[in-house]
Amino acid sequence: QKEVEQNSGPLSVPEGAIASLNCTYSDRGSQSFFWYRQYSGKSPELIMFIYSNGDKEDGRFTAQLNKASQYVSLLIRDSQPSDSATYLCAVAHNTDKLIFGTGTRLQVFP
Amino acid sequence: DTEVTQTPKHLVMGMTNKKSLKCEQHMGHRAMYWYKQKAKKPPELMFVYSYEKLSINESVPSRFSPECPNSSLLNLHLHALQPEDSALYLCASSQDGTRQYFGPGTRLTVT
Repeated sequence: QKEVEQNSGPLSVPEGAIASLNCTYSDRGSQSFFWYRQYSGKSPELIMFIYSNGDKEDGRFTAQLNKASQYVSLLIRDSQPSDSATYLCAVAHNTDKLIFGTGTRLQVFP
Repeated sequence: DTEVTQTPKHLVMGMTNKKSLKCEQHMGHRAMYWYKQKAKKPPELMFVYSYEKLSINESVPSRFSPECPNSSLLNLHLHALQPEDSALYLCASSQDGTRQYFGPGTRLTVT
């Protein structure tokens, strides 16, 4: 069974700190990896995707991928209270099928 | 522009009712999806349409019936639902099948 695992949290960080969210996946053949942000009562929003080993930066967000360790992470620099949300890791199993983790709830306190 | 729209925002229906959820995208994406999301759970894939043809049905009960009238529209017809079907129903679209963009969802309550 293809699985994506995340710590459910909550992960609590002070405003201005770096939040680090982690995700592991079981299918070694996975090629594409995604981070979605979901505010309470809202729909998931795609914020980052990464296909190659290494780091990918976009503004305050950095996605990191290590295929050998089957590990993908999301770093949020200068965390703001508005970043408080659930972050879903998703892995493309096949075209058109994403496997989602259960999400990590992030709380950024002032 | 990655906008997917869904109507209605909220829907309350009885177990004997028939209703439909609607989804629209104008990004020219070739694939559209229906997901169901329960509270504190990740989205669960229900159906995928690719180039207007049903390509994936995740063994969804027949009381849910999808329809893709054209490349921009996706409907989900609901009939004889159960209270446990109450959830957030999400539509998404994608061109490459992996970067999927979600609409705002329809919050469904079955009474």
